[in-house]
This record gives sequence, C-alpha cells and structure tokens, in this order.
Amino acid sequence: AQSVTQLGSHVSVSEGALVLLRCNYSSSVPPYLFWYVQYPNQGLQLLLKYTTGATLVKGINGFEAEFKKSETSFHLTKPSAHMSDAAEYFCASNQAGTALIFGKGTTLSVSS
Amino acid sequence: NAGVTQTPKFQVLKTGQSMTLQCAQDMNHNSMYWYRQDPGMGLRLIYYSASEGTTDKGEVPNGYNVSRLNKREFSLRLESAAPSQTSVYFCASSGAAGYTEAFFGQGTRLTVV
Repeated sequence: AQSVTQLGSHVSVSEGALVLLRCNYSSSVPPYLFWYVQYPNQGLQLLLKYTTGATLVKGINGFEAEFKKSETSFHLTKPSAHMSDAAEYFCASNQAGTALIFGKGTTLSVSS
Repeated sequence: NAGVTQTPKFQVLKTGQSMTLQCAQDMNHNSMYWYRQDPGMGLRLIYYSASEGTTDKGEVPNGYNVSRLNKREFSLRLESAAPSQTSVYFCASSGAAGYTEAFFGQGTRLTVV
C-alpha cells in the first residue's frame, strides 16, 4: 500500500531564508506526486506536480521539488521565503485508479 | 468558473442527528472524493467515486454513506452524527483517478455536540 511521510510537522524560517519541506513516499511502483498549500480557513491549492519526465518540477510562487526515485523523496524547496508563504503544506501521491493519499502536513512559519 | 462547490460551509449538529453534505463540480471531471481533515492527521479519504455509478471506501468510511447522484454531484451523508465526526470535510474532483491532480472545494466545518 502506498503512503506518504512528511518529516517535521512544523518548520520555522526567517524571511529570505531557504525553505525545505521534506516528503518521502512508499510505493511499489513510482507514483504521481503532488504538493498542495492550504492557507487558513481555505481549501487546498496545487503548488506543483510530478507525473513523468523531468524530475525537477517548478510550481507557483517560486516553489520547486525534485523527484528522487533512489531516495523515494519529493522534497519541496524555495530559495527565499516570503511572509506570504506561511501556510500548511501537504505532500500527496496517487497511482493509476486510486485516490490521492496525503501526508500529515507541515506548517511553515516565516518570521521577519 | 466555480470549480468545486460545497454546501453548507458551517454546520452544528447534535449527537444522533443526520445530515447530508453536498458537493458539485462544473469541470466535467469523472472522479470525485470526500476527505476529512483533523489537526495533525492530514487529509484522510472517506469515500471516492472513480466514475459515475461507482463508489469505493477509503481509509475512514465508518459512519458515512455516499451517493454519486450524477457526474456533477457527490454527496456525503452522516446517518447518526457522533462527536468523533467533528471535522472539516473537503470534497474534491479530478479528471481521472490516479492520473491527475485533484481540485478542492472550500470545505465544510462540522461540529457535533
């Protein structure tokens, strides 16, 4: 069965610092992988996705993620954090014919 | 373009009451989903419908029923609400289960007292 693990339930960075949110997946076959962002009292918005092809994926708001099959990882990064990046981030995966499975989420705090 | 619309946005129920959460999408998607979100638990799948006429249980189906009314609509019913069902419920849809990203509604915040 597939599963998604997000390392660190809470990450704090200073404005302008590197953002690194970790995600590992467990799957018998390479899944499709996604990062979503949730702002307070809102639904989930897609940041980026990996399906096939290029392993470095660029998303909205300056975020990117790299699919590393050998490490079963899909970590999310942003070179320079902005106050508006403060939110909860979810990594998710699915396979053909299945629904999205989510990690438990990582809350990102950004201080000035 | 409305996307995925959920009603109601907020609801308070007494233990034992029943209610139906409504969800509609206007993106001509085949697959629809119901999740619940609880602090520290992420989103957990309750039920999903890969296509019109089919439904399948997810990780936490107990205490819920679903109906895929047509391609656009997917409802979630609580027959006898319990305090453990206090949560935020999200409906989502996707073009095809397992192949594309899902689009989410704004959520229904349900409190059972």
